Formats: sequence, C-alpha cells, structure tokens
Amino acid sequence: GAGVSQSPSNKVTEKGKDVELRCDPISGHTALYWYRQSLGQGLEFLIYFQGNSAPDKSGLPSDRFSAERTGGSVSTLTIQRTQQEDSAVYLCASSLLEARTEAFFGQGTRLTVV
Amino acid sequence: GDSVTQMEGPVTLSEEAFLTINCTYTATGYPSLFWYVQYPGEGLQLLLKATKADDKGSNKGFEATYRKETTSFHLEKGSVQVSDSAVYFCALSRNQAGTALIFGKGTTLSVSS
Repeated sequence: GAGVSQSPSNKVTEKGKDVELRCDPISGHTALYWYRQSLGQGLEFLIYFQGNSAPDKSGLPSDRFSAERTGGSVSTLTIQRTQQEDSAVYLCASSLLEARTEAFFGQGTRLTVV
Repeated sequence: GDSVTQMEGPVTLSEEAFLTINCTYTATGYPSLFWYVQYPGEGLQLLLKATKADDKGSNKGFEATYRKETTSFHLEKGSVQVSDSAVYFCALSRNQAGTALIFGKGTTLSVSS
C-alpha cells in the first residue's frame, strides 16, 4: 500500500481480555517499530524489528506484551490480560533499514480497556 | 542510554509570533536528529531532519540546526500560523543501521488568531 496501515483504528475491550493489533508496513521497508502514545507520556518505544536480525524488545513494559512479524512484512502486537493502564494509542512505523532514514507512521490504534 | 529531552508544553502563542521549542539529546556518537509533527486527528509525519553537525533542516518555514557542542536541535519558526497548532516531537537515530528511533515526550503548540 501507499502508507503504513493499522487495524483496527479503534478497539474497546474488557479488562482481562487479550487483544491483537495489526500493522501493515510500507512495501520494501525492512524496519518496523511499535510505539505507545499516552496522554502526557509522549511516544513510548515498545519494540523494533530490524530486517532478519533479532528484534529489540527492550521497550516492552511487561511479559503481557508480545509482537511478531511474519515474513518480514505484517506485524501483530498482542496484549494479554489487558489492564486499564494499557489504554493508549498504539502506533506502528516502518522505514528502510539504513541509518538516517525517516520513519513513516500509521494512524494508530486507539485501545480502550474498560 | 540514548534519550531526548524537550521543553514542557503547552506552548501558547499568538499568530505571527516567534516560536522556539527546545530539544537536547544524549547519545553515543553522532546521531541523526529529527522533528516530527502530529496535527490534530492525523498521524505523525516528518517535519525536518539533520544528519550531521552544523546541518540545518528546514521545511514549511520551520528550521532546526544540529549543534554538536550543545547537543541541541531546537525548532524555530519566525512567524507561526494557526495551522501550525500541533504536537511536535524531537527524535534521534544513531547513524548505524538497525537502531531504533528515540522520541522526546512531545510539545503541544497552540496558536490563536
């Protein structure tokens, strides 16, 4: 596609349920990022997929969070046993792997845990 | 570890006022520096970037100069417009393939007519 696509755009879930958020990056972009944007907290780095290398998972806040990237393209962020503090906008971005290149962002998934 | 610090907002200005949003960074080596902007209801998009010391990035009347000696990348605009109201994020990336983009917390700018 022309840009980074995320789905769903909005998700309301009950506390304790699992959710899956999807990101479809720009074709040819080998780097993929997940960030979380909370009010007053800015952009919190979660995980970074870098081509065929092992992902940088250093930003995942707990073991309830996981992400995978299949075939070097689509990525899924999974949150297990959701908590109210997980409510936020989850942003995906992709870029070329080379240094100095810009990242292109999707519109985000707004997750609300009730 | 690498980090970016931005001035706290919100910043409230009248139309045609001068804008400065401060950004300083901590990083190993010589990172690339970026300003991203998020307009209301829209996704983040790149505003400008600089990849080495003393470079000046510019776009839409905004400018920022990469200052290695002060580890800063302050965003400036000589005359803001109401349409500049948005959240501005400073970010860095190490000049090394396979490193994550690190963002500041963002600064909200509100411009009134």
